[in-house]
Amino acid sequence: GNSVTQMEGPVTLSEEAFLTINCTYTATGYPSLFWYVQYPGEGLQLLLKATKADDKGSNKGFEATYRKETTSFHLEKGSVQVSDSAVYFCALSGQQAGTALIFGKGTTLSVSS
Amino acid sequence: EAGVVQSPRYKIIEKKQPVAFWCNPISGHNTLYWYRQNLGQGPELLIRYENEEAVDDSQLPKDRFSAERLKGVDSTLKIQPAELGDSAVYLCASRKSATNEKLFFGSGTQLSVL
Repeated sequence: GNSVTQMEGPVTLSEEAFLTINCTYTATGYPSLFWYVQYPGEGLQLLLKATKADDKGSNKGFEATYRKETTSFHLEKGSVQVSDSAVYFCALSGQQAGTALIFGKGTTLSVSS
Repeated sequence: EAGVVQSPRYKIIEKKQPVAFWCNPISGHNTLYWYRQNLGQGPELLIRYENEEAVDDSQLPKDRFSAERLKGVDSTLKIQPAELGDSAVYLCASRKSATNEKLFFGSGTQLSVL
């Protein structure tokens, strides 16, 4: 079945450091890929998405490229801020409309000033 | 626009007791999901509704869990009786339709079973 594997955390960085959180997936067909973020005390929020191979999703300085050849969707940011401290979840959605998201285990990012 | 509203925010019960969670999705959203998120894990689907119909409940432990979405709006998830392993955050999410990818999550109900 479909699954998502993301790097385990926690990831601890200093402000303005470069961020990469790895995510790989297993799926049949052509899933859509997502990154969700969960700030302390808040619900999950969509950060970015990509719906087909080679698409790049971007938002708030974060970006991720849908790589079908490596079945990956790594999250990157060139310069993190303290306010980026949160839990990041990689997720996929199957081709059939309405299918539920399948999430990775989440990666906790802690940014210090 | 109000987001997905869940209540209660926290619930502490003793094992074997019943518990219920309530979700009010965003107005006009036909598709509703209940997820369970164990500590240190990603959310896992329990049940999905299209309007008032449960179209995917394959992951719902039906011996103790039940859910309903009367009139296709609010939804309730119930556990009876609760077990220690049910301690988790229960998340509700909604989207306008099955073909609309924008999914909105509530803040969840954190359940502790003692």
